[in-house]
Amino acid sequence: SYVLTQPPSVSVAPGKTARITCGGNNIGSKSVHWYQQKPGQAPVLVIYYDSDRPSGIPERFSGSNSGNTATLTISRVEAGDEADYYCQVWDSSSDHAVFGGGTQLTVL
Amino acid sequence: EVQLVESGGGLVQPGGSLRLSCAASGFTFSSYWMHWVRQAPGKGLVWVSRINSDGSSTSYADSVKGRFTISRDNAKNTLYLQMNSLRAEDTAVYYCARGLYSSGRDPFDPWGQGTLVTVSS
Repeated sequence: SYVLTQPPSVSVAPGKTARITCGGNNIGSKSVHWYQQKPGQAPVLVIYYDSDRPSGIPERFSGSNSGNTATLTISRVEAGDEADYYCQVWDSSSDHAVFGGGTQLTVL
Repeated sequence: EVQLVESGGGLVQPGGSLRLSCAASGFTFSSYWMHWVRQAPGKGLVWVSRINSDGSSTSYADSVKGRFTISRDNAKNTLYLQMNSLRAEDTAVYYCARGLYSSGRDPFDPWGQGTLVTVSS
């Protein structure tokens, strides 16, 4: 089955740029979606189809996908961005959704 | 406002059964694929199952195939997950989620608030 690999944690100072990676075999050929989950809350879609942003999500959130790595970039990080972030794709061979293990973003 | 509200979670003994419900409102429920995703305590998200808009097509994660059944009642705007032969490792918060558009491979948006299922003796 398809595996997505995320770093367990990323730390960034307020106002700086956070980059969260999601690795997978030839992930650039797949569509990647990103979710934000704050403690005790349901996940929220923040980036879909690699780089599209749902209405209501700040422009500070952006995404890219190429080769074996997809990246969620959060510019001008704020304290309120502190959360777990998950990448997700569809595995065409099994026709199942696959999530990465999640990355905890800490704002220093 | 688009809203999904899960119910039916609780404590169940190993080998027992439980049926989860997800009440949808604020959108044309019968037009969308729907999904169940679970999250064990302190762990990550795991996709469980999906169903197409008219209920004629379903798929399941290997870990639940043969034990769980997803279904829907479009007249009642409600999604279900029948869970049988429950195991301790099924303990999790179960979320229902809507496909963003009309494809079975769309991202999940929105999500319900989740319902906790605890399998323990």
